[in-house]
Parts: sequence; C-alpha cells; structure tokens
Amino acid sequence: GENVEQHPSTLSVQEGDSAVIKCTYSDSASNYFPWYKQELGKRPQLIIDIRSNVGEKKDQRIAVTLNKTAKHFSLHITETQPEDSAVYFCAASEKSSGDKLTFGTGTRLAVRP
Amino acid sequence: GAVVSQHPSRVICKSGTSVKIECRSLDFQATTMFWYRQFPKQSLMLMATSNEGSKATYEQGVEKDKFLINHASLTLSTLTVTSAHPEDSSFYICSAAPGGRRNTIYFGEGSWLTVV
Repeated sequence: GENVEQHPSTLSVQEGDSAVIKCTYSDSASNYFPWYKQELGKRPQLIIDIRSNVGEKKDQRIAVTLNKTAKHFSLHITETQPEDSAVYFCAASEKSSGDKLTFGTGTRLAVRP
Repeated sequence: GAVVSQHPSRVICKSGTSVKIECRSLDFQATTMFWYRQFPKQSLMLMATSNEGSKATYEQGVEKDKFLINHASLTLSTLTVTSAHPEDSSFYICSAAPGGRRNTIYFGEGSWLTVV
C-alpha cells in the first residue's frame, strides 16, 4: 500500500517568513495530493491540492509543487501569519481506490509574532 | 458546498460497553465512506472503507469484530466500537466524496471517544 512520509515534524518561523513542508510517497499510482490544515480537535481543512498532471499550483500565499519522478511534493506558505499556526498534513490518493487517503505524519507549524 | 455530518461530537462510555458513531452525507449520496482514527498528536490512520450495501473493507491490523461498520443507505454509515476499552479512546472521523473523479473529499466534524 501507499506510504507517505512528511518532514519536518515541527517548524517554527518568524511572522512574514516562508514555511516549506515536504512529503514523499511510495506508490507511483497515486495521482491526487491534498494538503490539510488541522486545528486541535477539529476536522482537517483542505487548503490546496494538486493532481498528477500538474507540476505546480498556487493560491495566494500557498503553493504546492509536485515531482512525479522523484515522488515528492511540497507545500510552500509565504508571508506567514500567526493564524497559519496549526498542524499540516499531506496526503496521497489513487482515484481508482476511491477517495481513500493516506496521510503523512503531520507538521506542527508555529508562526512567531 | 457538500457537507458531511458526524454525531456525536463527544461521547464518554464505560469500559466494556459499545458506542455508535454516525456519519451522514447531507446533500449528496456516497456509495463509499471512510473511517479514520486519530490519536492525540498523531496522524489520521485509515481504519476501514465503508461500502453501501456490502461489507466494509478493513485495513490491516483493524479488528472487524470490534469496529463494526454498517452502510445501510447512500447517506449514512455507522461505526460501532464494541466492548470499548480505554485504549480505544481517540478521535474518530469519517470522510466521503460525491461521485466523480475530481470531486472534493469532505470530512465529518469528528467524534471524540473517551472510554473510562
């Protein structure tokens, strides 16, 4: 089955700086890669996603890049704000298996004011 | 947008009892739903795939007789934790997606289970 690794496990940045979180996956059949932000005790919130036919996607301060050959994808947050502080999870899915997601281990991001 | 609702949001039960958690898709039909478990400060781990009208598919290491899943309609899946023990205390969350390859996956609000 799919295995998703995520680094770093914790990340502390100064407000206004950029944050980068990286994930690798093992199953070359995976073709959908969402990123979620989760606050304590709440459901994961989709912040951005990318499909395997695209190498990069951007939405305001958030961008995701995908390297299919290397089987890794990254989340980039620019101009970080204190409200960006949360736990972020990457995930991978192969649509032929339905909408089953394999999650990374999570990154706790702290943005210092 | 599409909504997935989960109930109860919090439940406390005694050891040895069973507790049922419901997951509903409110404005779309879901032939498949997914149940995840999340221990504190850990990631979401898939427990099982709930299939409408047929048996659930369990991930390796998940006891099907302990975590009973019923998906009797296209909008409702239930997870029953049987003979609960303190180590079953966790955050349980379901997900579902409308049909189609490019549709967003929606998560329920999650259910905190505490077994005392």
